[in-house]
Amino acid sequence: EIVMTQSPATLSVSPGERATLSCRASQSVKDNLAWYQQKPGQAPRVLIYGASTRATGIPARFSGSGSGTEFTLSISSLQSEDFAVYYCQQYDDWPRCSFGQGTKLEIK
Amino acid sequence: QLQLQESDPGLVKPSETLSLTCTVSGGSISGSGYYWGWIRQPPGKGLEWIGAISYSGTTYYNASLQRRVTISVDTSKNQFSLKFSSVTAADTAVYFCARQGWDILYWGQGTLVAVSS
Repeated sequence: EIVMTQSPATLSVSPGERATLSCRASQSVKDNLAWYQQKPGQAPRVLIYGASTRATGIPARFSGSGSGTEFTLSISSLQSEDFAVYYCQQYDDWPRCSFGQGTKLEIK
Repeated sequence: QLQLQESDPGLVKPSETLSLTCTVSGGSISGSGYYWGWIRQPPGKGLEWIGAISYSGTTYYNASLQRRVTISVDTSKNQFSLKFSSVTAADTAVYFCARQGWDILYWGQGTLVAVSS
């Protein structure tokens, strides 16, 4: 089983600043990685797939990078609606997949 | 617009079998290229993939759960289902159904299943 580890668990950032979230895979997943945003009481929403491709309708301030075992989600100029929990998901052995434990992005 | 809706079993007793059905509307479950999956989220915790099924019935399960999980599909009703046996309090979670492409674009709203006597 591929284990996904996200860091930090909680990230405090001021509105307008940049946030950088990390995700590490226990073995290479190539670029088979997605990022999701989840707000309380809602299902997750896909932001990024293929490690760096924005999903339809996702603002350009969201960007993903990395390959192999190290991945990053960056959010430039944080807006109030961006404060949420973020999960990475690997799907290298699709349809099997696994998620990281999440990073909570909170207002500083 | 594709929509998925989980059934609502509510409260399940310990040692019993949890049964959930996901009804798909706005599109056919029989389209190729996708799997239909179940994902759960214990209160205040992260996401755990349970398993997935193709429209033809090919299944994949999370290795840590597979001895207790069965997923089935009914293309005539545009539904797929989850059965989870011998539940304990640790299985209390919001259960989501979803359409799995490379990413997961479509999710149900989730249903809270509580395991309690």
